[in-house]
Amino acid sequence: KAGVTQTPRYLIKTRGQQVTLSCSPISGHRSVSWYQQTPGQGLQFLFEYFSETQRNKGNFPGRFSGRQFSNSRSEMNVSTLELGDSALYLCASSLGTSRETQYFGPGTRLLVL
Amino acid sequence: GQQVMQIPQYQHVQEGEDFTTYCNSSTTLSNIQWYKQRPGGHPVFLIQLVKSGEVKKQKRLTFQFGEAKKNSSLHITATQTTDVGTYFCAGPDTGFQKLVFGTGTRLLVSP
Repeated sequence: KAGVTQTPRYLIKTRGQQVTLSCSPISGHRSVSWYQQTPGQGLQFLFEYFSETQRNKGNFPGRFSGRQFSNSRSEMNVSTLELGDSALYLCASSLGTSRETQYFGPGTRLLVL
Repeated sequence: GQQVMQIPQYQHVQEGEDFTTYCNSSTTLSNIQWYKQRPGGHPVFLIQLVKSGEVKKQKRLTFQFGEAKKNSSLHITATQTTDVGTYFCAGPDTGFQKLVFGTGTRLLVSP
């Protein structure tokens, strides 16, 4: 089975721009979660999608949003980028819920200048 | 909210030495999961513990779940350079349907 894939792998943006990241889960997995990883804050939960519905949300501002398509693929959008948004964005899929074992993708490294 | 702390934050050992990281939750956990993230990589699931006092082994790695199900440890015997990385524990959030990851322990092994 193919693993979780994320595109793009690297991205450079400037402040004020917006960005869309994509994630394709493992086939058969219906839950997709997004995490932000920074050296100072560790792994922070952004949100989880299941059957095209956002099921959980972390403590991030409304500039961070996402969606899930009928094929379970998910996208994450960050609007009005700030310098502090520079991070590794990880997508993880699981069979049922985000409390279960998470299978992570390689991540998208975002640099905001 | 629920917090999961790990100590130490960082450890540098010589190859062949043992290593232990400790994970402590502010609340009782239904289970604990451990992940390893190699430098430049992504977290990879290692193991899940469910029962109070449970001990599981994977070759040189020994995982323990505390009796009160609020703490856990990962012990590596005779470290190798391939053990380099950051080790995270994670537990289900009691209020929400998500995993809360620990702060991580970064292990560096010198040959």
